[in-house]
Amino acid sequence: KNEVEQSPQNLTAQEGEFITINCSYSVGISALHWLQQHPGGGIVSLFMLSSGKKKHGRLIATINIQEKHSSLHITASHPRDSAVYICAVRVDGNEKLTFGTGTRLTIIP
Amino acid sequence: GAVVSQHPSWVICKSGTSVKIECRSLDFQATTMFWYRQFPKQSLMLMATSNEGSKATYEQGVEKDKFLINHASLTLSTLTVTSAHPEDSSFYICSAKQGHSNQPQHFGDGTRLSIL
Repeated sequence: KNEVEQSPQNLTAQEGEFITINCSYSVGISALHWLQQHPGGGIVSLFMLSSGKKKHGRLIATINIQEKHSSLHITASHPRDSAVYICAVRVDGNEKLTFGTGTRLTIIP
Repeated sequence: GAVVSQHPSWVICKSGTSVKIECRSLDFQATTMFWYRQFPKQSLMLMATSNEGSKATYEQGVEKDKFLINHASLTLSTLTVTSAHPEDSSFYICSAKQGHSNQPQHFGDGTRLSIL
């Protein structure tokens, strides 16, 4: 079993829909990252969380440390949001990131 | 925001060639840089962690003599794939972090390496 599990693996939605991507982890962490990888491969760091909730534009990330679970929400989704979204955790006492397998999001106009 | 520049973005070369990939932090001092490899439809796999001025720490299964990492300054790390073979074809991506552990990692745009 992977230490970081994401769901769903693939998600296709219509433009304007509210999107939720989930991440569960099984280890103690000091921080959780949400990353966005576009088709060209480049990676953008969207959020780094250790508790609570963060919002940036149409993106919202939440984390529940007790339940070892995080969600990434996209409101009013747009085709340009189409990308792979990756959850990564920094395990306690370690600088390295452990990555989920990613969620491939496709937003149809 | 913090920017990490990776060069080249795309390389095609013959088997047996050595290829150098550069990773630069443009507006911050990167005390730690990470090198990852990503095969198609798979997640990123950490290859090694490098701290400025010291030897890189390689992950299990990564050959340090094949993947040479140099982190000679606080803004530059290089990965050299020596005597590359077709099985080394992959997407290589670096990230850089400033200071202590609570800082986020900033990623480069990656290098797509194809060995013929």
